[in-house]
Amino acid sequence: QKEVEQDPGPLSVPEGAIVSLNCTYSNSAFQYFMWYRQYSRKGPELLMYTYSSGNKEDGRFTAQVDKSSKYISLFIRDSQPSDSATYLCAMLIIQGAQKLVFGQGTRLTINP
Amino acid sequence: NAGVTQTPKFQVLKTGQSMTLQCAQDMNHNSMYWYRQDPGMGLRLIYYSASEGTTDKGEVPNGYNVSRLNKREFSLRLESAAPSQTSVYFCASTLDLSSYNEQFFGPGTRLTVL
Repeated sequence: QKEVEQDPGPLSVPEGAIVSLNCTYSNSAFQYFMWYRQYSRKGPELLMYTYSSGNKEDGRFTAQVDKSSKYISLFIRDSQPSDSATYLCAMLIIQGAQKLVFGQGTRLTINP
Repeated sequence: NAGVTQTPKFQVLKTGQSMTLQCAQDMNHNSMYWYRQDPGMGLRLIYYSASEGTTDKGEVPNGYNVSRLNKREFSLRLESAAPSQTSVYFCASTLDLSSYNEQFFGPGTRLTVL
């Protein structure tokens, strides 16, 4: 069983829709929870991170973590065609050194 | 600042050939990483360097070697390439890996081994 599971999609929604992306994880030692966005043929870039259960909002993006269920989500409100990308969840343990474990990534397309 | 740069952008090798992927960062970061990204697998850590002069294995180190040439540069070498090493390779850097700091990624090297 992979430490981090993410539905690879693809996911296609109309412009303006609310998008929900999800990951589950099995290692309760994970301390930080991140979402990366990766445009085609580019490197991943950090979108949001959090370290506690609850919600964190940044503009149209909301990251949600439920440590009791080992479940994290990213919500995108008022989705735009420019949001079309692959979204990767990632979990971090710091035990002497950072260990970053990625989900498989979900390919998202926002249709105008 | 250029951030994290990688060369080459694309490479095609024949089985058994060797090559070195180059990575450099200009953010004065202490720690650097090499990942590979395969369809359906996410990014997997190959090797990392906590600081200049140190390197450690990650999740998938077999078939690779690394060199932390100085604080700026971290290279990945394939001594005898195999088709299973066809992948997109990303270099990343972070200020320090003993606490949370954002990892910054380069644009990637697309490698095909025939």
